[in-house]
Amino acid sequence: GDSVTQMEGPVTLSEEAFLTINCTYTATGYPSLFWYVQYPGEGLQLLLKATKADDKGSNKGFEATYRKETTSFHLEKGSVQVSDSAVYFCAPPTRGRNSKLTFGKGITLSVRP
Amino acid sequence: DADVTQTPRNRITKTGKRIMLECSQTKGHDRMYWYRQDPGLGLRLIYYSFDVKDINKGEISDGYSVSRQAQAKFSLSLESAIPNQTALYFCATSDWTSGNTDTQYFGPGTRLTVL
Repeated sequence: GDSVTQMEGPVTLSEEAFLTINCTYTATGYPSLFWYVQYPGEGLQLLLKATKADDKGSNKGFEATYRKETTSFHLEKGSVQVSDSAVYFCAPPTRGRNSKLTFGKGITLSVRP
Repeated sequence: DADVTQTPRNRITKTGKRIMLECSQTKGHDRMYWYRQDPGLGLRLIYYSFDVKDINKGEISDGYSVSRQAQAKFSLSLESAIPNQTALYFCATSDWTSGNTDTQYFGPGTRLTVL
């Protein structure tokens, strides 16, 4: 079945540093891909998504490009802020009526002032 | 008002007690989910429902049961709570019927402590 492999955490960066969180997927066809974020004390919320190959999802300065050739959907941000400290989840691909999402451990990002 | 609400937000109970966690949504979505989150284990799926008449077990359903009372309501029950069910519980909804890409929308969570 479809699945993702997310890099291990935690990640600690200084403010204004560049962020990359790797995510690769295994799927047949062209599923939709998602990144979710969980801020302290809150539930998960969608950060960005891409629905087809070469799509770039973007939100709050974060970007991820759906790369079919490398089966990757890496999350990037050019300059992180303290407010970006959260847990980030690369969600498994979804396709059709039988899709259901399980999120795994996520990666904890801590940004120092 | 929040689209996905969970009650209670916090609950402390004792071993052996029956507990019900409730989830309501105003998004009109057909799909609803229950997850638990534990430190170091991430988010794991307990049960999911693709419509009112469709209930499915997730990866960790033992010790839990669910009821989909209506499209908007999905309850999770612990028939006899035990300490290792202490966790943060999330309800989520998603929509496929309109051909959307199945983005999930989460409630704020219920923190359950079983003593």
